[in-house]
Amino acid sequence: GEDVEQSLFLSVREGDSSVINCTYTDSSSTYLYWYKQEPGAGLQLLTYIFSNMDMKQDQRLTVLLNKKDKHLSLRIADTQTGDSAIYFCAGNQFYFGTGTSLTVIP
Amino acid sequence: DAGVTQSPTHLIKTRGQQVTLRCSPKSGHDTVSWYQQALGQGPQFIFQYYEEEERQRGNFPDRFSGHQFPNYSSELNVNALLLGDSALYLCASSQGPQLNTEAFFGQGTRLTVV
Repeated sequence: GEDVEQSLFLSVREGDSSVINCTYTDSSSTYLYWYKQEPGAGLQLLTYIFSNMDMKQDQRLTVLLNKKDKHLSLRIADTQTGDSAIYFCAGNQFYFGTGTSLTVIP
Repeated sequence: DAGVTQSPTHLIKTRGQQVTLRCSPKSGHDTVSWYQQALGQGPQFIFQYYEEEERQRGNFPDRFSGHQFPNYSSELNVNALLLGDSALYLCASSQGPQLNTEAFFGQGTRLTVV
């Protein structure tokens, strides 16, 4: 399997940008995903990137992939209080990271 | 559209017992995947069912088994429950097992083993 690691906590002020990072050990994942989980809820797919891409932008979300360093990041522009949640990266939808808890301070 | 529905929402079992969890996929979806999410952890992939067969399996013992029915719904069975099996069990459905297809998650079943 694949080990996927994330920092546990991130706190930002409303209106700032948030950057959530993820590192993985196995390069075989064809797709890399970002999910959002709010308290008491299931996971919501935010976006995904194909492994041969470096960047993908989707409205306020920007995904960067550095295959050489096995590093994936999710940037949320103009972060809002509604963005407070736990964010998971995943390889091929099978290997999930430990999750990053994002807190947005009003 | 009801989305992915799981039952029951909560369950308490005694160590050594057996449990069956159920999942109905989103309308139009034919693939179901199961995950175990321990408290404070990310989901761990258990297995995926497509065309009533187990297609992919994560690193879980044989105590974890499943089934998919002709209507695409699925069951997860866990035998000889251990205290460590206490977790949120998530089901996800998708249209086909392809890696780039969007998976929709249910709210999960919270299993507590005492």
